[in-house]
Amino acid sequence: DADVTQTPRNRITKTGKRIMLECSQTKGHDRMYWYRQDPGLGLRLIYYSFDVKDINKGEISDGYSVSRQAQAKFSLSLESAIPNQTALYFCATSDFGHGNEQYFGPGTRLTVT
Amino acid sequence: DAKTTQPTSMDCAEGRAANLPCNHSTISGNEYVYWYRQIHSQGPQYIIHGLKNNETNEMASLIITEDRKSSTLILPHATLRDTAVYYCIVRDFISSGSARQLTFGSGTQLTVLP
Repeated sequence: DADVTQTPRNRITKTGKRIMLECSQTKGHDRMYWYRQDPGLGLRLIYYSFDVKDINKGEISDGYSVSRQAQAKFSLSLESAIPNQTALYFCATSDFGHGNEQYFGPGTRLTVT
Repeated sequence: DAKTTQPTSMDCAEGRAANLPCNHSTISGNEYVYWYRQIHSQGPQYIIHGLKNNETNEMASLIITEDRKSSTLILPHATLRDTAVYYCIVRDFISSGSARQLTFGSGTQLTVLP
């Protein structure tokens, strides 16, 4: 079984809709991250969390919110989706003190029409 | 983070060793070399990292030159599933109180040929 899972894997939604992307991990890591990837722009960090009580904004947090429901679960919400949020979204985890060794989920391809 | 330079693309025959070079001539003493790969549209995959000693794990070996200005990732027996973009990044070891996004450059597109 995969260590980092994401649901859904693909989603098409309409402008203005609320959508939630979920991430679960079985690696026992404290730290979790949400990235988006756009063609030609590489990975960009949206939010990250060091533990259940710690949430931090990344480079591009506007239009997104997150919830760390448990050590193993980190969800990303788009409160009112817009077309330029169409992207590939990745969740990642890392262990304490090993922030450069990140383990990624398979990704969610989100299309906002 | 120190700048890295990698070839744009490489081919390798299936079953042969794939040697992927990376130049990082401005690396500083506390910076590590990390390697990731990304198979098309899949999540990036951490491969290996090292400071100055050669490192080996179940996926690959990392050879770092004595002056640390370059390194080579070695996949000892490449398979078709190793076809991916390989990224070399140089960063200081993340301390407990900080987090930064991983920034990948252009990487090397490795194509393993049957």
